[in-house]
Amino acid sequence: EAGVAQSPRYKIIEKRQSVAFWCNPISGHATLYWYQQILGQGPKLLIQFQNNGVVDDSQLPKDRFSAERLKGVDSTLKIQPAKLEDSAVYLCASSASRSGVGWPQHFGDGTRLSIL
Amino acid sequence: AQSVAQPEDQVNVAEGNPLTVKCTYSVSGNPYLFWYVQYPNRGLQFLLKYITGDNLVKGSYGFEAEFNKSQTSFHLKKPSALVSDSALYFCAVRVGSDRGSTLGRLYFGRGTQLTVWP
Repeated sequence: EAGVAQSPRYKIIEKRQSVAFWCNPISGHATLYWYQQILGQGPKLLIQFQNNGVVDDSQLPKDRFSAERLKGVDSTLKIQPAKLEDSAVYLCASSASRSGVGWPQHFGDGTRLSIL
Repeated sequence: AQSVAQPEDQVNVAEGNPLTVKCTYSVSGNPYLFWYVQYPNRGLQFLLKYITGDNLVKGSYGFEAEFNKSQTSFHLKKPSALVSDSALYFCAVRVGSDRGSTLGRLYFGRGTQLTVWP
């Protein structure tokens, strides 16, 4: 099966600019996650979708970050305006079920964002 | 609060020797534990999980992990390391409760860089 697809792989922008990332999960996976991975740290969950509804966005900086999954399939994550501390790798993951706690999450290769 | 600790930033081992990457956790409720591996410029790749049952869990590429409830640990092990095992390893915990909006959230450790030299 095809894995989680993310684009772009790399993005360089100046602070205060806006940027968007795209994710297409594994076919049939109802749950989609966006993580932020800062260098030297483990991934931190930003937002979790179940189909097209938000399940957990408690760690999303909502003053500058937004995400949507309109048709319950692919998703976009946006940052506007970007700050220097947003430099990180943004990972998208999907899993088959939210209620099944044993289901592993499958990760894309991420987008590496550099803020100048 | 849920948390995961990986006490070693780096583990170095010679090829052919056994390896251990340590992980301890703190959760309220039953823990569901995972190990992931990350190669340079790639996403995380699932290795193995503990949900319930036998404390020794076997996973991909010859890796295994032992769940120890009394020590709240979930150490990753492999009997004979390969150079190709060199990568960044993450331990993660998920809360095993069916209530609350944080169901599904994985809490990751900071990662341990494993280097296997020839």
